[in-house]
Amino acid sequence: SQQGEEDPQALSIQEGENATMNCSYKTSINNLQWYRQNSGRGLVHLILIRSNEREKHSGRLRVTLDTSKKSSSLLITASRAADTASYFCALTSQGGSEKLVFGKGTKLTVNP
Amino acid sequence: DTAVSQTPKYLVTQMGNDKSIKCEQNLGHDTMYWYKQDSKKFLKIMFSYNNKELIINETVPNRFSPKSPDKAHLNLHINSLELGDSAVYFCASSLHSTGPYEQYFGPGTRLTVT
Repeated sequence: SQQGEEDPQALSIQEGENATMNCSYKTSINNLQWYRQNSGRGLVHLILIRSNEREKHSGRLRVTLDTSKKSSSLLITASRAADTASYFCALTSQGGSEKLVFGKGTKLTVNP
Repeated sequence: DTAVSQTPKYLVTQMGNDKSIKCEQNLGHDTMYWYKQDSKKFLKIMFSYNNKELIINETVPNRFSPKSPDKAHLNLHINSLELGDSAVYFCASSLHSTGPYEQYFGPGTRLTVT
């Protein structure tokens, strides 16, 4: 089963700036989810986007999905120090089982 | 109230020992999962149960045996622990197994094998 590849592996920005993380994959998907993991904690679900959707918003988060390019991006606007965490994309593949396969994550540091 | 809880939070043990990790969810979900996160933060599914039935069983050594006494509980027993078993183990749950559905994660159990 395929796994998403996040890019960049690490990102350091100043508070107030926007942060963009990307996730690329190889074969067709059913849906893609983004999760956040604060240091030493469990993962928290952020957004789910289905393969027939192109964009979703939740507060300061915007997720896009381009199935022709097999990629998704997570944008965090007006970042805060509390956004410091690792961000993972997770996907379920078309024709595969329903299991979620996680990428290796992007470690975001927001400096105050 | 904690949605998905795991015990213990930390587990330090010696090679060769047998240990268990417990997980409980109070969300009324049908499906529960065990994941292993290695030192590089790579998260990999190990098992999934739906209404007490095993539905996902990845390539995991048979020293690992999950047990679901009811749909709110999923325990993980590990026999003959090895150094390579050191990792953080996460339990998660979702409303159903076929979705898509978001997953709710527990706080993790950090297992250290010495």
